Amino acid sequence: EAGVAQSPRYKIIEKRQSVAFWCNPISGHATLYWYQQILGQGPKLLIQFQNNGVVDDSQLPKDRFSAERLKGVDSTLKIQPAKLEDSAVYLCASSFGGLSSYNEQFFGPGTRLTVL
Amino acid sequence: SQQGEEDPQALSIQEGENATMNCSYKTSINNLQWYRQNSGRGLVHLILIRSNEREKHSGRLRVTLDTSKKSSSLLITASRAADTASYFCATDRQGAQKLVFGQGTRLTINP
Repeated sequence: EAGVAQSPRYKIIEKRQSVAFWCNPISGHATLYWYQQILGQGPKLLIQFQNNGVVDDSQLPKDRFSAERLKGVDSTLKIQPAKLEDSAVYLCASSFGGLSSYNEQFFGPGTRLTVL
Repeated sequence: SQQGEEDPQALSIQEGENATMNCSYKTSINNLQWYRQNSGRGLVHLILIRSNEREKHSGRLRVTLDTSKKSSSLLITASRAADTASYFCATDRQGAQKLVFGQGTRLTINP
C-alpha cells in the first residue's frame, strides 16, 4: 500500500516569498491533516479536512497560510508571505473513515522549510 | 498548545536495556496514542490505548494509562539500536476530535 506522499522534501526561500507544499494521502482516506513541527517540538495541527471540507483550522495563521483539498483527495498548503518563524517541517497525515479519533493517522515524510 | 508533556526530554541507554518514557496530560481524554519519529522522517503510529483501558501490549511495547493521575507510560523492552528515535504521546481530548502532541522524548540506544 502506498503511503502518504509529500513534495517537495526540502525548500529554502527568503522571507516574504511564497511557497506551496503538496500532499497526496493514502487512497480512500477521508481525513487529511497538515501539521507544523518546529525543531525540538511536537507536531502542531494547522488544519484538518474531512473529504474536501475544513473541520478545524483554529491554529492556522490565516493572514498568511491557506490550504485547500481539491475533490477530497490531494491537498496544498501555501504560505504567503513567509516569515523567519515559519521555518519548520510541514507534515501531512491522513486517516481512514470519519472524524473518529480512534483512527490511526498515517504521516508523510514531511517538507523541511527553511526561511532565510 | 501542548496537551501532553513527555518525561524525560532525552534518554540514553545501552542496547538490551529497557526504556521507559512518561507522558502527562491535563484534560479528560478519549484515548492516548504513542508515535515514533526517526530522524528526518514522518511519524509512525505505535499503539493506541483507550480511556477505559489500563494496559496494552504490542510486541516489545507496553503502554499503561492512569486516568486518575492523567499519565501514561511507554515501556520498550530489550531495546535495539533501531529503536533510536523521538517518541511522542498524543492525546485526544473529549469533544475535540483531534490529536494534540507532546514535545517528545529523544531516545538514544547505544551499541
